[in-house]
Amino acid sequence: GENVEQHPSTLSVQEGDSAVIKCTYSDSASNYFPWYKQELGKGPQLIIDIRSNVGEKKDQRIAVTLNKTAKHFSLHITETQPEDSAVYFCAGNTGNQFYFGTGTSLTVIP
Amino acid sequence: GAVVSQHPSRVICKSGTSVKIECRSLDFQATTMFWYRQFPKQSLMLMATSNEGSKATYEQGVEKDKFLINHASLTLSTLTVTSAHPEDSSFYICSAPPGAGYQETQYFGPGTRLLVL
Repeated sequence: GENVEQHPSTLSVQEGDSAVIKCTYSDSASNYFPWYKQELGKGPQLIIDIRSNVGEKKDQRIAVTLNKTAKHFSLHITETQPEDSAVYFCAGNTGNQFYFGTGTSLTVIP
Repeated sequence: GAVVSQHPSRVICKSGTSVKIECRSLDFQATTMFWYRQFPKQSLMLMATSNEGSKATYEQGVEKDKFLINHASLTLSTLTVTSAHPEDSSFYICSAPPGAGYQETQYFGPGTRLLVL
């Protein structure tokens, strides 16, 4: 099955700075890579996703890049705000099953 | 996005009792739903795939007789934790793809916090 690794496990940034979270995957057949934001005590919320036929996708302050050759993808959050503080999970798929990274706890310092 | 609900949001039970958790797709039909378990400060671990009208598929190490899954309709899957013990205390989350043509995307429910005393 798929093995997804995520770094860093914790990340603190000043408000207004950028945050970058990186993931690597093992299954070259994986073709869908979502990113989820999870606030304390809540279920994960999809914030952005990318399919393997695209190298980059952007949605306002959030962007994701994918390097299929190197099997890694990254989440970029620009102009961070305190409400961006949460745990972020990446995932890769094998068919319709997701395999999640270990999560990154992001703290945005006002 | 598609909406997935769970009920209850929080449950406390005595050791040895059974607990049922419901997962509903509110504005779409889901032939497949997924059940995850999440321990504090850890990632989501897939427990099983719930298939409408057929048996669930369990991940390795997950006891199918302890975690009973029933997907009786296209909008409802239930997870029953039988003879619950304190080590079953966890955050249980379901997810579902929003429909045909978007099978890769999953939307998650808000989760159910189970505490077994």
